Order: sequence, then structure tokens, then C-alpha cells
Amino acid sequence: EADIYQTPRYLVIGTGKKITLECSQTMGHDKMYWYQQDPGMELHLIHYSYGVNSTEKGDLSSESTVSRIRTEHFPLTLESARPSHTSQYLCASRPSGTGGVGYTFGSGTRLTVV
Amino acid sequence: KQEVTQIPAALSVPEGENLVLNCSFTDSAIYNLQWFRQDPGKGLTSLLLIQSSQREQTSGRLNASLDKSSGRSTLYIAASQPGDSATYLCAVNDDYKLSFGAGTTVTVRA
Repeated sequence: EADIYQTPRYLVIGTGKKITLECSQTMGHDKMYWYQQDPGMELHLIHYSYGVNSTEKGDLSSESTVSRIRTEHFPLTLESARPSHTSQYLCASRPSGTGGVGYTFGSGTRLTVV
Repeated sequence: KQEVTQIPAALSVPEGENLVLNCSFTDSAIYNLQWFRQDPGKGLTSLLLIQSSQREQTSGRLNASLDKSSGRSTLYIAASQPGDSATYLCAVNDDYKLSFGAGTTVTVRA
């Protein structure tokens, strides 16, 4: 079944640790995105990719980094986690081309930095 | 910069009542508009996608309309059920990204 998977679902980690949030999709979509959502707040775009070896920063400044070495995989890394990074991180994908097919979102990773 | 507003922010209705959720956006140069459902602490589930050339889209008890020129979309949910309780998000696609509203949190009382 075509889908988008995020792991872990929940993560509690200490300040200063390096973490990687995983996102994989089986739909062959070129375009992938990371959104950040604080509790009760809007989603904000932090990173996106239009294909392999393509990564760009989104509207919301983020200390995280991303990579796109394979079409299906778009991991997000925080080199040194801080309490201000506590949030929900949502990964999404869609195929190239306008209109047509909408975005598909993963279940999210809820990150707590203590 | 696209700004998306959803009204009301919260809604509580008895079971069986019809729901009307409103979304407005400031820039009419959009490719499509997508309505999502989000349960507490979960990801987003796509409900309906309306292309910029369409006026409405229907799926079961859900119907969404789009008036691109006036920058408005409305999501109608007929005969609400307690299982419809969730936050509903409107998102506008300008082909660069999705811009989201803050959502309408719906509670359907049994």
C-alpha cells in the first residue's frame, strides 16, 4: 500500500543530543516537505525537496538540516537538540505537476527535548 | 504572502446537525485547495482536494466549495456524528507550498 511513514512517533531526548527523524514514502513522489507544528498552532514549512540532491529551507527558520539521497527518503537532523525544538514534525510528499494530486502526510513525530 | 483564515476557531454541535466550516485566503493565485482532518496528536488525513478550476467537490457526507475570485472555501459536513470530532484544516497550494489556516476544532456531542 502506497504511504508515507515517519519514525519514531514519539521521542523524548536530552538537551545537546543529535537526533534524526525519519521519513519514507513508497509512492515515488518527487516532492517532499517537512512541516513543524506547535500545539494548537498552524503548520509551518521548514524544509522541502523537489528531488534527489535538492533541498531548500522553508519559511520558518529552523536549526535542523535535511538530505535527499534517495527519492523515497527525506530525513531531518538536529545536531544539538534544545528545549525550543520541542514540537510536532510532519513529513509530506506529492508528485510533480500542478493541480492533480494533493499532499499526503505522515503520522508525525512528536519531539520533546528536556 | 498567502494568509489563510479559518472561522470559527471552535464549534460544538449536537449529533445530527450539519457543520459549516469557513476558510478564506488572501491570494487567489492558487493551484488547488485541500481540506484535512487532524485528530489530537496525530498527522493529517486528506478529506477533499479542489482544483482551482473547480467550484466544488464531494465525498460521502462531505462537500467543499471554492470561490477562487473571492478567496473563500467552505466545508460542509452533513448529519454530523461523534466520530467527526477533530480539527479541520484548510490548506492552499500555490505550487511552492501549502499554506495552512489555524484550523476549526469541532466537537460533536452524542
